[in-house]
Amino acid sequence: DIQMTQSSSYLSVSLGGRVTITCKASDHINNWLAWYQQKPGNAPRLLISGATSLETGVPSRFSGSGSGKDYTLSITSLQTEDVATYYCQQYWSTPYTFGGGTKLEIK
Amino acid sequence: QVQLQQSGAELVKPGASVKLSCKASGYTFTSYYMYWVKQRPGQGLEWIGEINPSNGGTNFNEKFKSKATLTVDKSSSTAYMQLSSLTSEDSAVYYCTRGGNRFDYWGQGTTLTVSS
Repeated sequence: DIQMTQSSSYLSVSLGGRVTITCKASDHINNWLAWYQQKPGNAPRLLISGATSLETGVPSRFSGSGSGKDYTLSITSLQTEDVATYYCQQYWSTPYTFGGGTKLEIK
Repeated sequence: QVQLQQSGAELVKPGASVKLSCKASGYTFTSYYMYWVKQRPGQGLEWIGEINPSNGGTNFNEKFKSKATLTVDKSSSTAYMQLSSLTSEDSAVYYCTRGGNRFDYWGQGTTLTVSS
């Protein structure tokens, strides 16, 4: 199984600031990487797929990058509505696996 | 618009089985795989398995092979997941989610509580 590791389980960032969330796969996943946002009591929401492709309706302050085993989700101009837990997921091979999540809070 | 409507919360006794449902609308049901994901309280996300609604073919996370059974009813565009021999470890929110590998639409989740 491919293990997905998000190095930070918790991040605190100032309003209007920039944050980068990292995700490392235990094997190459050829950019088959998605990012999800989950707010308490809600289902996850797909933000980015293919490592870099923003889903329709997702604000442009969200962006994804990376290749091989290492990927990042960046959020610029942090807004209060961005407070959530963010998960990466590889869909290169089954079992599809998720990172442990990064909880983002406003400083 | 695409919607996945899941069945309501369940409270079941240890050792019992339960069948959760996920009714799809707003798209051609047989054109997309349906996936199921488990989330324990305060925990991350686990992929349980997938079903191809066009032919009923399934693929499971090894961890859930003896726990979950996936089926569909094409006539009602509904996917089902049966969980057997329930223990407290099965208490969680279960999501159905659609997609071509990445999970683009999600149901609202069904909360399963296993308790005597």
